[in-house]
Amino acid sequence: LAKTTQPISMDSYEGQEVNITCSHNNIATNDYITWYQQFPSQGPRFIIQGYKTKVTNEVASLFIPADRKSSTLSLPRVSLSDTAVYYCLVVPSGNTGKLIFGQGTTLQVKP
Amino acid sequence: ETGVTQSPTHLIKTRGQQVTLRCSSQSGHNTVSWYQQALGQGPQFIFQYYREEENGRGNFPPRFSGLQFPNYSSELNVNALELDDSALYLCASSLASAGGRETQYFGPGTRLLVL
Repeated sequence: LAKTTQPISMDSYEGQEVNITCSHNNIATNDYITWYQQFPSQGPRFIIQGYKTKVTNEVASLFIPADRKSSTLSLPRVSLSDTAVYYCLVVPSGNTGKLIFGQGTTLQVKP
Repeated sequence: ETGVTQSPTHLIKTRGQQVTLRCSSQSGHNTVSWYQQALGQGPQFIFQYYREEENGRGNFPPRFSGLQFPNYSSELNVNALELDDSALYLCASSLASAGGRETQYFGPGTRLLVL
């Protein structure tokens, strides 16, 4: 399973765009990339998932370059409520069931 | 809200005791996975149940066991509790499909404290 590396922490201010980059050099052909958000004492919440290029939903955008060795989660115009831990996961296709979480990136949004 | 519920929300036990945690999966989901999350760490995979059978297990001792019922709800049982078992226990449900790209949706967790 591909290992992911992401910054331990980031700071931002309300209204700014936040980009969190994750590296996954050993990603396999059939792996896809998933991001979760977690608030203290709550379960992780699925944000977005993609395989290549760009994916956008109502919450975020996910940019994946052609070599797929990294990905960037983009949060537009963050607010204080976006303060959370963000996890980047590489998930093999197929019913393996096992999600491997790293330590994630703690995003602190300041007023 | 994901539709995944867990009970109880909080629990305090003493070393050596046994505990049972419960999870109701999201409607239509047939797969349940359990994770342990220690303070300041990411969730760690314990095991997954699919169609009432264990379908993958992480690096946890046999005193961690589980069940899945015909309605796809699930239980996590931990015997001989140790202090290090204190953690947030998370349940995630998903719908296994032929393509295999199911997304896991997490419940709110059960906070277990072992004294």
